[in-house]
Amino acid sequence: GDSVTQMEGPVTLSEEAFLTINCTYTATGYPSLFWYVQYPGEGLQLLLKATKADDKGSNKGFEATYRKETTSFHLEKGSVQVSDSAVYFCARGVKAAGNKLTFGGGTRVLVKP
Amino acid sequence: GAVVSQHPSRVICKSGTSVKIECRSLDFQATTMFWYRQFPKQSLMLMATSNEGSKATYEQGVEKDKFLINHASLTLSTLTVTSAHPEDSSFYICSARDPGSRNYGYTFGSGTRLTVV
Repeated sequence: GDSVTQMEGPVTLSEEAFLTINCTYTATGYPSLFWYVQYPGEGLQLLLKATKADDKGSNKGFEATYRKETTSFHLEKGSVQVSDSAVYFCARGVKAAGNKLTFGGGTRVLVKP
Repeated sequence: GAVVSQHPSRVICKSGTSVKIECRSLDFQATTMFWYRQFPKQSLMLMATSNEGSKATYEQGVEKDKFLINHASLTLSTLTVTSAHPEDSSFYICSARDPGSRNYGYTFGSGTRLTVV
């Protein structure tokens, strides 16, 4: 079935370090891909998205490229801040499946000053 | 942008009672809303798809009679946890899709933390 696999956390970094969170997905149904961020005690916020192969989503210094050949959508940020501490979720969705999103397990990121 | 309001943000109830959680789309009409459940330090699990004016579609393993969903208008869906037990304690999140946006446009509520004592 449809699935999303992302690296387990927690990931602990120092401020200004480079962040990468790996995400792979099942390719059935030409999915759109998303990264969501969840701050403590809050719901999810869309961070970025890509709808087709080779698309690059970007927002707030974060980037992810839809790689069809490796079925990956890795999230990167060149210089993290303490305020980036949160849980990040990779997700896939297919309109043909009723627009339902399938989420990865989430990766907790902790940025220390 | 699209906003989804979810209330209450936190609720504590006694075992055996029922709790209603509301999910409202504030500036758009949502024919479809989704309800998720999230256990501590885990991912979101889709519970059901709420369809305006018709019955909700539940995911496998979700008890329909325990988690009642009503989507009576284009801006409101409710999830009622009936006869709650401590194992129902969780973080519940709703989401809605703004049909006026391109490429999905899902917006999530801020979540409801339910504690059953």
